[in-house]
Amino acid sequence: DAGVIQSPRHEVTEMGQEVTLRCKPISGHNSLFWYRQTMMRGLELLIYFNNNVPIDDSGMPEDRFSAKMPNASFSTLKIQPSEPRDSAVYFCASSTGEGQPQHFGDGTRLSIL
Amino acid sequence: DQQVKQNSPSLSVQEGRISILNCDYTNSMFDYFLWYKKYPAEGPTFLISISSIKDKNEDGRFTVFLNKSAKHLSLHIVPSQPGDSAVYFCAAKENYGQNFVFGPGTRLSVLP
Repeated sequence: DAGVIQSPRHEVTEMGQEVTLRCKPISGHNSLFWYRQTMMRGLELLIYFNNNVPIDDSGMPEDRFSAKMPNASFSTLKIQPSEPRDSAVYFCASSTGEGQPQHFGDGTRLSIL
Repeated sequence: DQQVKQNSPSLSVQEGRISILNCDYTNSMFDYFLWYKKYPAEGPTFLISISSIKDKNEDGRFTVFLNKSAKHLSLHIVPSQPGDSAVYFCAAKENYGQNFVFGPGTRLSVLP
């Protein structure tokens, strides 16, 4: 079975550039989550969607970050403009609903120079 | 202010022995807890969960214990195997919503 698929796996770009991270959740899962992992702050929830609708975006650090889920099989996390402090591993996860375990993708390692 | 704490950054255990990973939380509204395992360059993988109505949940070699009064849970792995070497995350959430709060992780090394 295909798990959560994230692309790209690695992204290196210069500060000021727009960065778009992509996620395909597991088919049939109706909840999707974006996390960021850093050494300083660990794994933090940025935003999650239920049935393509954003439910809680309180973890989104600032207006430079935006996330969309145009349909049940695709989501994007965009950073514009990017800054060096955005360097981190970004994970996408999906689940079948409230209280259910989340299945994680393998992450996108983002480096902003 | 960390709501979920894993005070041991690392733990080494001999193969075949028991591994005990600990997790403490401060939010008394947390009522559902999970453990995840993470290998390098991969995403976390769900291991086992427990809700606040239970004090123990077992799945094969993995057992999670919850002590609500102490706001403490632990993951026991018996017997430990070299393939268990990974980073283990504890996560918790309140009754409603899906906002899981993760601990910083404990790196377990199982020595052959």
